[in-house]
Amino acid sequence: TQLLEQSPQFLSIQEGENLTVYCNSSSVFSSLQWYRQEPGEGPVLLVTVVTGGEVKKLKRLTFQFGDARKDSSLHITAAQPGDTGLYLCAGAKDSNYQLIWGAGTKLIIKP
Amino acid sequence: DAGVIQSPRHEVTEMGQEVTLRCKPISGHDYLFWYRQTMMRGLELLIYFNNNVPIDDSGMPEDRFSAKMPNASFSTLKIQPSEPRDSAVYFCASSFDGYRTYEQYFGPGTRLTVT
Repeated sequence: TQLLEQSPQFLSIQEGENLTVYCNSSSVFSSLQWYRQEPGEGPVLLVTVVTGGEVKKLKRLTFQFGDARKDSSLHITAAQPGDTGLYLCAGAKDSNYQLIWGAGTKLIIKP
Repeated sequence: DAGVIQSPRHEVTEMGQEVTLRCKPISGHDYLFWYRQTMMRGLELLIYFNNNVPIDDSGMPEDRFSAKMPNASFSTLKIQPSEPRDSAVYFCASSFDGYRTYEQYFGPGTRLTVT
């Protein structure tokens, strides 16, 4: 069974703090995507990482793909209330358009 | 450029009634996915199409669920008869194969409540 385990499941922190969300699997993926979902909306793609060890930055968000392409992390620096949402990771395998989804990390940033 | 469009946004129906959810994918996208999201089970893939052809429907819960894609710009998900346990948010997403990135673009969802 291909699983993507996300941790933590829930995180509530104060504005200005840093945090890291993890996405782990025993399977190798050709790419891994991170999405953010706000209440009442669909998930929105944030980033796709493809190469082992790859690091991508999106303003205060830093995404890293593990060297073995089995895991990924999302680090947020100086979190803002606007970062509140459900963060989902999803792994892709070549020629298979059925993504493997993590259960999500619910993030709340308190002002 | 318009994103994925879903209708209705909210649907409240009584048990036993037929429910039809609609989706218009992003123009030019050749993959279309139907998902269901609940607190307990998270995001579950129900079925997906490639060039209007169903590829994998193993996630469809039971025969009460059916999906069609008569053309590249329209898809429906039908539940007949509906049951209270079908209450969830249903998402449609589309994807473009050309870049081989497998990135999916989601609609705003339909919140279904079956009483």
